[in-house]
Amino acid sequence: NAGVTQTPKFRVLKTGQSMTLLCAQDMNHEYMYWYRQDPGMGLRLIHYSVGEGTTAKGEVPDGYNVSRLKKQNFLLGLESAAPSQTSVYFCASRQERESSEAFFGQGTRLTVV
Amino acid sequence: AQSVSQHNHHVILSEAASLELGCNYSYGGTVNLFWYVQYPGQHLQLLLKYFSGDPLVKGIKGFEAEFIKSKFSFNLRKPSVQWSDTAEYFCAVSPYSGAGSYQLTFGKGTKLSVIP
Repeated sequence: NAGVTQTPKFRVLKTGQSMTLLCAQDMNHEYMYWYRQDPGMGLRLIHYSVGEGTTAKGEVPDGYNVSRLKKQNFLLGLESAAPSQTSVYFCASRQERESSEAFFGQGTRLTVV
Repeated sequence: AQSVSQHNHHVILSEAASLELGCNYSYGGTVNLFWYVQYPGQHLQLLLKYFSGDPLVKGIKGFEAEFIKSKFSFNLRKPSVQWSDTAEYFCAVSPYSGAGSYQLTFGKGTKLSVIP
């Protein structure tokens, strides 16, 4: 039972490079989220999706794009990485019903130099 | 939009001490409430949740939380902490139902250090 799987787990980028983080869930959840976690800032929502083919901006969307072409996958893209995007990125998914909790991936530690 | 406030940034306790972590939220309607724990180097895991019924909720590893609607609070408690409880704790809120039920907002977290 994989749950929520994120790839890669670690990455170092140079400023200006691009990359895509992949999140895959096998629980048939409707909702998916990308958060970034920085010391003292908690989890801040970057983008989210309420179903296949839908995406929306969260609290800190600038510099990121997302796509949800398949229900089980939620991709987070950085078109031109900046040092301010050095962070730990977490993907999460939830069922579309009351009281459902979010399940988290193991995280991706990204360093932009 | 809802928001979550966790009052303590870092709490340091000795083993066997009692724990209470504060969480207040702002939202005008009915909510689901969650506490998550993040052990060092790991992802977030659910400790407990409240969505209806008894406002005193029991979770894993001896944790419990009490929902006080009049105070918009959902404080986390444990009678006797262990060194293995050293972690960061996050409170989160989500609207109970309706168009905004996908929203899931986290507090900034409270880091707990337990000294053996």
